[in-house]
Order: sequence, then structure tokens, then C-alpha cells
Amino acid sequence: DSGVTQTPKHLITATGQRVTLRCSPRSGDLSVYWYQQSLDQGLQFLIQYYNGEERAKGNILERFSAQQFPDLHSELNLSSLELGDSALYFCASSVGADPYEQYFGPGTRLTVT
Amino acid sequence: KNQVEQSPQSLIILEGKNCTLQCNYTVSPFSNLRWYKQDTGRGPVSLTIMTFSENTKSNGRYTATLDADTKQSSLHITASQLSDSASYICVVSARYGNKLVFGAGTILRVKS
Repeated sequence: DSGVTQTPKHLITATGQRVTLRCSPRSGDLSVYWYQQSLDQGLQFLIQYYNGEERAKGNILERFSAQQFPDLHSELNLSSLELGDSALYFCASSVGADPYEQYFGPGTRLTVT
Repeated sequence: KNQVEQSPQSLIILEGKNCTLQCNYTVSPFSNLRWYKQDTGRGPVSLTIMTFSENTKSNGRYTATLDADTKQSSLHITASQLSDSASYICVVSARYGNKLVFGAGTILRVKS
């Protein structure tokens, strides 16, 4: 158990809908990272937040947005969902802004039908 | 362009045998390289992290090597077990820009 929690574990929704994925980092970690892993694909970095502020941006679509709240939990919002958004979404956390030691959560499996 | 390439793409070995996975990278300037193990449907778990000055690091039956001159790393698994069946991902960090570059992974299957 990495100490990073993600909810929900599974999510099934229809195209065009909007969903919110939630992540709670390990106690004491200030950074949260979001990753997407499509079937048989590698991990794709989406975005990083550090202590409430956006720190780094990867291949995040404009339909996706994220934020980190004062209690350091983070939410990833996915809107106007398409079939191709079906994937595992992982959250990771680290103590500082540098991703030297990252701990990954169990992931949320999103299925868009 | 910063890239990480892993080989082989997939591998099947018999329980008890050793194997070596390869990772070549072009990320520059280099900060560190890590190997993760990812069980199907689970989050990746860190096995080793190596900085520029380290050329070998062990974690139980897993031993990673790094040659920063040739920009190559390998992960050696000794006396494989069925539980080693997983995807092994090489991740390289650039010194600036907070960027992690992920390899596509090597899928290892250990069979009895």
C-alpha cells in the first residue's frame, strides 16, 4: 500500500459526459501528479500540482482539468468524454516539487461507452 | 527529442531462470533513472532509483545497472518467481523542467 488513495476504483459512463476523479496524496506529500494509461500503452503524464499550484503540464487535453485543494487532495475533471478516453488514470504523490520519489495510487479505471 | 526505449517488448521465461531487461535513453541533461514494476491493473511500484554517479543498485533479486556514458540501463532479475510476472517500466528524469520520460515497458511473463 503506497499511501496514495484514489476514488472511485471503477467508473463507467457514456460519451459526452463529465466525470471527476479524486486523489489523496500520502501524508506529508505536497505534490500530486496525474497520469493516463490507455490499453497496452505506456504511462502518459498529464499534470502536476505542488502545494496547490500547477507545477508542470504534460499531454493534457483541453477537455481535462485538474486542481489541488488546500487539504492537498486533487481532482481530475474529464469532460465531453470520448471513447478514446477509456483508460486507467493514476495519481502519484511526492514530498517536494521534484518527482524524485513518486508513489503511485491504485488507479481509477474509466470506461466510456 | 527526449526518449526512452525498452527492449524486449515482451519476454517469457521459466520460473527460476534469470533475465535482463534493457533501457536506452536520450534524455539530457540526465538527472536520474528509475525502474518500476507494474502488476496488471495496479499502480507502478518503484524498484530502484539511480543518479548519475551510481552505476549499480540492488533491491532483493532485482539489480539495476546504469552506464551514463552510453545512456543505457539494464534490470537483471535473478531466480525469477511467478510473482515477477508484470510490466517493467524504465523512467528517466531530466535535470530541468520537472520532466519524467516513460518507456513503453517490457512485459515479463514467468511460467512454471
